[in-house]
Amino acid sequence: DTAVSQTPKYLVTQMGNDKSIKCEQNLGHDTMYWYKQDSKKFLKIMFSYNNKELIINETVPNRFSPKSPDKAHLNLHINSLELGDSAVYFCASGVYSYNEQFFGPGTRLTVL
Amino acid sequence: GESVGLHLPTLSVQEGDNSIINCAYSNSASDYFIWYKQESGKGPQFIIDIRSNMDKRQGQRVTVLLNKTVKHLSLQIAATQPGDSAVYFCAENYGGFKTIFGAGTRLFVKA
Repeated sequence: DTAVSQTPKYLVTQMGNDKSIKCEQNLGHDTMYWYKQDSKKFLKIMFSYNNKELIINETVPNRFSPKSPDKAHLNLHINSLELGDSAVYFCASGVYSYNEQFFGPGTRLTVL
Repeated sequence: GESVGLHLPTLSVQEGDNSIINCAYSNSASDYFIWYKQESGKGPQFIIDIRSNMDKRQGQRVTVLLNKTVKHLSLQIAATQPGDSAVYFCAENYGGFKTIFGAGTRLFVKA
């Protein structure tokens, strides 16, 4: 069983479109995250959620809206996609008191 | 500002040798320092962490050293194997929910 899964794995879309990426974890963790990794492999945190509540929003544009319907899911919706949104997006989960985060396989978003 | 950086973006080592990956950080308030490994096409994978009040911690074939005086962190991999080829990130955690990653070092292991 995959611990942290993301769908889709690849996403190719036009500028201006709206898209969503889904994330699910079956580890029973109470904390989930979204990260963006650019072409130079730089990994930057976007959001942290704990027990379905937003804890960290790292100055991410309002076009990005995370939603956590329950503790096992954290989805990312992106409105009005821009070229600069092209990146690999990683979902991760963990337990607040532990440093180890479990990452999903990533979603490669390409905006044309 | 917050930053975690690396001295060497690429490191090439011979199989069986020891590898040392270095990292500089700027935030003295971090509670923990962490190393992750990212293989091609996969998400990062936790390797080891060290609390800010420690200076050394050992795991299986890995050792992390922390020098708070010069704000330097290193990951030592003993007897490097081809499976160790990956990008390695140092990261720092403070406040529990926020982990800041460094730029990454690519490790090549030559057979």
